[in-house]
Amino acid sequence: NAGVTQTPKFRILKIGQSMTLQCTQDMNHNYMYWYRQDPGMGLKLIYYSVGAGITDKGEVPNGYNVSRSTTEDFPLRLELAAPSQTSVYFCASSYSFGRADEQYFGPGTRLTVT
Amino acid sequence: DAKTTQPNSMESNEEEPVHLPCNHSTISGTDYIHWYRQLPSQGPEYVIHGLTSNVNNRMASLAIAEDRKSSTLILHRATLRDAAVYYCILTSGTYKYIFGTGTRLKVLA
Repeated sequence: NAGVTQTPKFRILKIGQSMTLQCTQDMNHNYMYWYRQDPGMGLKLIYYSVGAGITDKGEVPNGYNVSRSTTEDFPLRLELAAPSQTSVYFCASSYSFGRADEQYFGPGTRLTVT
Repeated sequence: DAKTTQPNSMESNEEEPVHLPCNHSTISGTDYIHWYRQLPSQGPEYVIHGLTSNVNNRMASLAIAEDRKSSTLILHRATLRDAAVYYCILTSGTYKYIFGTGTRLKVLA
C-alpha cells in the first residue's frame, strides 16, 4: 500500500492565483483530513470528511474549499492565494474516528505564496 | 477541547532512555491520550495511545498517571532517528486532533 499520497511536493503561487492540492489514500479509509502547519507551530485542521459526499469545516477553513466525490480522493482548493496561506499542508486519513483510531499522514505539500 | 502542556524541548544521549512528559489536567473520562511524532520534513506518525492503563508497543511505552492528569512517553533507548517533535494529543470523539507545539527531542551522539 502506498498509504496517503500528496501532490505536488512543492509549489510557488503568486497572490491571487488558484490551485488544487491533491490527496489520495489506498487504505479504504472513510475519514480524511486536511491540516496546515506554519513554521514552528503544530498542525491546524482546515477541513475534514467522514465519507464520500460529506465534508465539514475545521478550525481554519477560510480561503479553502474541499470536495469528496470518492473514498480515495480528498482535494483541497485554494481559490485566491494570499501570503497568509504560505504553509505546509498535510493530508491524513483514518478508518473511523473512534477515540482509539490512529491517523495516517501524507508527506506534505510545501506552498509559498508571493 | 481538553488541552495538553508539554516542554518545548528536551535532550537525551544516544542509547539512553527518554521520558517525555505531558500534562492534561482537564482530561475527561472518555478522552484517549495519543502520541504522535514528526520527523524533520515529514508528516506526523502515530507512536502510541492509551486510556487508563500503561501501554507498550514496539516503538515506545506510555505511562498514564492514576488520576490521568498527566502521562509520560518513554523511549527505552533513544537513537539518532528518534530526533523529532513529539505531540501529546487528547481525543474525545470530535473529528479533530488539537496539536500543540509539542516537545522537540534532540538526541546527542
